[in-house]
Amino acid sequence: KQEVTQIPAALSVPEGENLVLNCSFTDSAIYNLQWFRQDPGKGLTSLLLIQSSQREQTSGRLNASLDKSSGRSTLYIAASQPGDSATYLCAVSGNQFYFGTGTSLTVIP
Amino acid sequence: DAMVIQNPRYQVTQFGKPVTLSCSQTLNHNVMYWYQQKSSQAPKLLFHYYDKDFNNEADTPDNFQSRRPNTSFCFLDIRSPGLGDAAMYLCATSTYGLGSLYNEQFFGPGTRLTVL
Repeated sequence: KQEVTQIPAALSVPEGENLVLNCSFTDSAIYNLQWFRQDPGKGLTSLLLIQSSQREQTSGRLNASLDKSSGRSTLYIAASQPGDSATYLCAVSGNQFYFGTGTSLTVIP
Repeated sequence: DAMVIQNPRYQVTQFGKPVTLSCSQTLNHNVMYWYQQKSSQAPKLLFHYYDKDFNNEADTPDNFQSRRPNTSFCFLDIRSPGLGDAAMYLCATSTYGLGSLYNEQFFGPGTRLTVL
């Protein structure tokens, strides 16, 4: 069974800092990987989708990379802002859909 | 704006009293999913519909059922809620199904279920 791990579980950074969130998965037989943002008590907002044949995707201040062979993805957030504070979840899509447990990010003004 | 809508946003039910959660979408997506997310845990897929084809996850309890009467709507029925069923229930949609490069899922705001 696929296992998806996100480290660290929580991260606190000062505003303006660049940061990297990590996602690792045990089974490299995936079709794509998706990054989400979840605000407290809310649903999930899709941030980026990387297909298995792609190496990275960018959207604004966000850049996600995928190394399928090593079972890793990173989400890079540039020039962090207090509004970026949320939980970030990665999910891998194969024949099933598995989420990581998330990284709770706090950006301190 | 095209979206995934869940009603109600908050639902309180009594132990053992059947409850139905609703999801609708204006995206005209083929696939609709139901996830359960307990506090501080990752969302867990319960089941999904590809058009009218129902796909149940192996470890989803029999207490959970689903209906999809048309493309736009999908319902989650909990026949006899227990205290352990208190959670956030998330509905999602996608154009392409699982096993596709293009399976990108879009989520609704969720329904928080409390069981008294």
